Amino acid sequence: EAGVAQSPRYKIIEKRQSVAFWCNPISGHATLYWYQQILGQGPKLLIQFQNNGVVDDSQLPKDRFSAERLKGVDSTLKIQPAKLEDSAVYLCASSLDPGQLTGELFFGEGSRLTVL
Amino acid sequence: QQQVKQSPQSLIVQKGGISIINCAYENTAFDYFPWYQQFPGKGPALLIAIRPDVSEKKEGRFTISFNKSAKQFSLHIMDSQPGDSATYFCAAGWSKLVFGAGTILRVKS
Repeated sequence: EAGVAQSPRYKIIEKRQSVAFWCNPISGHATLYWYQQILGQGPKLLIQFQNNGVVDDSQLPKDRFSAERLKGVDSTLKIQPAKLEDSAVYLCASSLDPGQLTGELFFGEGSRLTVL
Repeated sequence: QQQVKQSPQSLIVQKGGISIINCAYENTAFDYFPWYQQFPGKGPALLIAIRPDVSEKKEGRFTISFNKSAKQFSLHIMDSQPGDSATYFCAAGWSKLVFGAGTILRVKS
């Protein structure tokens, strides 16, 4: 079974530029998450989708971050304009359904963003 | 009430020793407590998880101990191996997980 795919793996931009990250979840997984992992910290949830609807975006800085999940499959996370503090690894994860007993999240390898 | 506090930040253990990582949570509504393991350059992967209806769960060399009244849970790695060297995150919640800050474990051979 293919895992969660993310691209690009690495991106270096200057502050005030824009960047987009792409995620393809495991086939059949209804729920998709974007997490931000700053160096030395645990992952922090940015946004959660159930199919193509937003379930939770309470911690998404909406003045600069946006995310969409087209047709309930792939997702794109965009940052515009980027700030120095946005330097982090952006992790995409998916799960079958939040109601499942295990609640297991399957993470991709992440997209590392460096803002100069 | 959404915090999960994890300790220690880093841990060095001899091969064959026991590694112990602790976590404390605040929100009594949390009902799922997983531990994730992360190797450099990789995403976190589920290691073991527990629900509050049991006090202990063991899978191979990995054991979770859960104390509901104290709102604490811990990961024990028995017979620690160099291949266990990684960052370990505790988490709490359900589908919306709150993660601890992580513990960097190094097992010396």
